[in-house]
Amino acid sequence: GAVVSQHPSWVICKSGTSVKIECRSLDFQATTMFWYRQFPKQSLMLMATSNEGSKATYEQGVEKDKFLINHASLTLSTLTVTSAHPEDSSFYICSVQPGTTEETQYFGPGTRLLVL
Amino acid sequence: GQNIDQPTEMTATEGAIVQINCTYQTSGFNGLFWYQQHAGEAPTFLSYNVLDGLEEKGRFSSFLSRSKGYSYLLLKELQMKDSASYLCAVRGGNKLTFGTGTQLKVEL
Repeated sequence: GAVVSQHPSWVICKSGTSVKIECRSLDFQATTMFWYRQFPKQSLMLMATSNEGSKATYEQGVEKDKFLINHASLTLSTLTVTSAHPEDSSFYICSVQPGTTEETQYFGPGTRLLVL
Repeated sequence: GQNIDQPTEMTATEGAIVQINCTYQTSGFNGLFWYQQHAGEAPTFLSYNVLDGLEEKGRFSSFLSRSKGYSYLLLKELQMKDSASYLCAVRGGNKLTFGTGTQLKVEL
């Protein structure tokens, strides 16, 4: 399976600041990456699909101007939470889809964001 | 859209067998996945079903009935390390929609 890393694993920031989270596909060139958010005791919710070389596709209810996604290369996608607020505190997870739809997505280890 | 239901919590005894059910209603179906997630970690893949029937993989088996919109994950010979959240996820197109997860507690 694909190996996916995320950085940072933990971040604490003040309200109003911006935070960038990196997702790297270490052994596979990913034209598509996915960003999820998971609140405590809830399931993963897809935020957006990141497409290499083009604009991300956002799910309904996700503010594209607040959650900026850049997929500049086949191995790196970044999610920037702009003007973060305490309600943005969550577990952010990225994933890659290596090949055909018969395969699972492979998930990064996640980034825990705490906004004070 | 997708609607996926799972029990919130289950408790079972070490060495026993437990079945975690998942029902779904979808506008498109391209496979059903089961994942295990320990607290604070990312999900790890357990099984995949796209055709009706049972898929067996070691201590874990997963069943799918597309006509009934139903799946279950069967865990045998439970171990303490199996205590985790188990997520049912349905793929429609290239997107995964997750259920809320079933928190399994394995007791001695």
